[in-house]
Amino acid sequence: GAVVSQHPSRVICKSGTSVKIECRSLDFQATTMFWYRQFPKQSLMLMATSNEGSKATYEQGVEKDKFLINHASLTLSTLTVTSAHPEDSSFYICSARHEGGAEVETQYFGPGTRLLVL
Amino acid sequence: AQSVAQPEDQVNVAEGNPLTVKCTYSVSGNPYLFWYVQYPNRGLQFLLKYITGDNLVKGSYGFEAEFNKSQTSFHLKKPSALVSDSALYFCAVRHPGGKLIFGQGTELSVKP
Repeated sequence: GAVVSQHPSRVICKSGTSVKIECRSLDFQATTMFWYRQFPKQSLMLMATSNEGSKATYEQGVEKDKFLINHASLTLSTLTVTSAHPEDSSFYICSARHEGGAEVETQYFGPGTRLLVL
Repeated sequence: AQSVAQPEDQVNVAEGNPLTVKCTYSVSGNPYLFWYVQYPNRGLQFLLKYITGDNLVKGSYGFEAEFNKSQTSFHLKKPSALVSDSALYFCAVRHPGGKLIFGQGTELSVKP
C-alpha cells in the first residue's frame, strides 16, 4: 500500500503556543488530504478536508482560525494548532486520498501525532 | 445521509478460530465501503474496500469481506484468527463529497 508520513509523532507544548504538524504522501500525489482527531478508544472525527491549491473545507464546529490548514503541494499538507490549550490535547491523524488505478478512492493514513498541551 | 454501524464494541475469539467483525451501512446510491485496522498509538492501516465487482473482497493479512446489498452489510472475516490480529477495526463508507464516514470501531481480542 501507499505510504503517508506524519511529523512529529509526538509533541509537548506550553499553553498559548502554536504547533505545526506535517503530513506527506511519500509515493503518490494527493490532491486531497484529510485531518482527523481521535480521542482514546473512540472513532475518528473529521476536522477538515485539505485541498491542494485552495482553501480547506472545515467540518461543522471546527474553528478554522484555530486549526490552520495549508496544502501547498500535491504531497504535503500541514495543520497548525494556534494558541494551543490543554483541551486541544489529542491524537491527530492525517490521510491522503489515492486517485489513480486500482487504489482510487482509497485513503492512506499517517501514523498520527500525539499532542499534549501543558 | 451516509452512515455505518458496528454493532459490537468488542469481539473475543480464540486463536485459530474464524472471526467476524460486523458492519452495516446506510447510503443513498452505490456504496463505497472500507475496512481499516488500528494498532495502539498508530494510524489506520487499509485492509480492503468494495467499490464495484465481486461481492467477496479479499484484502491484506488474510482478511476478506462480503458485500451484501440486501442486508446492507459488509462484514469483515478471517478463517483463522491470530493473536497479532488483536486491534481496533473500523468500517467506513465514502460520503459523496469524498470524505469517509467511520463506524465507532470494534475492539478485536484474540486469545491464545
